[in-house]
Amino acid sequence: QSALTQPPSASGSPGQSVTISCTGTSSDVGGYQYVSWYQQHPGKAPKLLIYGVSKRPSGVPDRFFGSKTDNTASLTVTGLQAEDEADYYCSSYAGRNSFVFGSGTKVTVL
Amino acid sequence: QLQLQESGPGLVKPSETLSLTCTVSIGSITNNNYFWGWIRQPPGKGLEWIASIYYSGNTYYNPSLKSRVTISVDTSRNQFSLKVTSVTAADTAVYFCARDDFGDSGLGAFDVWGQGTLVTVS
Repeated sequence: QSALTQPPSASGSPGQSVTISCTGTSSDVGGYQYVSWYQQHPGKAPKLLIYGVSKRPSGVPDRFFGSKTDNTASLTVTGLQAEDEADYYCSSYAGRNSFVFGSGTKVTVL
Repeated sequence: QLQLQESGPGLVKPSETLSLTCTVSIGSITNNNYFWGWIRQPPGKGLEWIASIYYSGNTYYNPSLKSRVTISVDTSRNQFSLKVTSVTAADTAVYFCARDDFGDSGLGAFDVWGQGTLVTVS
């Protein structure tokens, strides 16, 4: 069970958009509609941003958008704000009641 | 709002057993919509799912850790616990407990997290 692949870093200016990819296999990302995304600020617990590939929990702004094509899921953040600077992790159900997280992406707001 | 709080020793010697407990407050661990899980994060590194449990006792483990990990639940105390045996420096991490709201949100939606507790193996 290998970690899902994310780019180490991404950046954008305030107001711009940034997209983070999360690449797995047909045994995890590609095989199920159970991809989640988390935001983590330094020293804090992760916060659920997206579940079920594209659904947002109540309270999460609609600037956060999740999608999936084949074995790759993506998180797009539009209208970047200073508070969006954080680490972002994807995760996926990987079958047999197991889960796998992505390697993480540090988003910098320039 | 349901809250989770991890507790346990912050320092464990190599080859010994790491034991942590997560206390669920302002909510019941026996709600049939939830799994309860442990996730860890080595310093400066990414998240790793360790194990999950249902209140009835059904358990699910990360295959890479399964031989050393045990997750259990105590419904009378509204707690669930984690044990990791034969620890090494590679087990040094912040350990989080979290709720998986599978009933409403599908599998793997960890929507409530504890603050995390750092366990150092040394």
